[in-house]
Amino acid sequence: DGGITQSPKYLFRKEGQNVTLSCEQNLNHDAMYWYRQDPGQGLRLIYYSQIVNDFQKGDIAEGYSVSREKKESFPLTVTSAQKNPTAFYLCASSRTGNEKLFFGSGTQLSVL
Amino acid sequence: KNQVEQSPQSLIILEGKNCTLQCNYTVSPFSNLRWYKQDTGRGPVSLTIMTFSENTKSNGRYTATLDADTKQSSLHITASQLSDSASYICVVRNAGGTSYGKLTFGQGTILTVHP
Repeated sequence: DGGITQSPKYLFRKEGQNVTLSCEQNLNHDAMYWYRQDPGQGLRLIYYSQIVNDFQKGDIAEGYSVSREKKESFPLTVTSAQKNPTAFYLCASSRTGNEKLFFGSGTQLSVL
Repeated sequence: KNQVEQSPQSLIILEGKNCTLQCNYTVSPFSNLRWYKQDTGRGPVSLTIMTFSENTKSNGRYTATLDADTKQSSLHITASQLSDSASYICVVRNAGGTSYGKLTFGQGTILTVHP
């Protein structure tokens, strides 16, 4: 089946810890994105990548980092600098930067 | 500032009834508008896309309308089913001059369908 796979489904972070959220797609899409979803708010863009080995900051990049070493993979690291990391994180991909987004099932990150 | 506002915030209807969700936007220049359905704990799934020249588009029991002059869109759901219970998100894309047109997301309308 073609699609986007996010893991883990649930993740807990301790104080001062970095955690990495996985996102893999087998749709052969060039563009990939990370969004953060908080209750009652619209999705906010953290980072996006339009091509391998290149990525751009979104609206709320502080405290996050990404890499795009392979076309299929776009992992997100939530660093200890992100003081309010509790949220639902969604990874998405699209064929090009201006086409329909396909979303993964999300990762719920909570702080212990 | 580009904004997308949805109303109502939440809505409860009985199975079999119709409902209409609203989306107002200030995004400019406008490229397109999509409605997504998001089940609880899942990622959003695209229902329909509206471009500037389109007034109405249907996808099964879902019908979207667009008035580009007033910058309003609606999503009408006919003969609701329990599986329609979800959050419905309106997303507007900028017609940017680059290869990536920025997206602005509404906060969503939470629809609950009761038997």
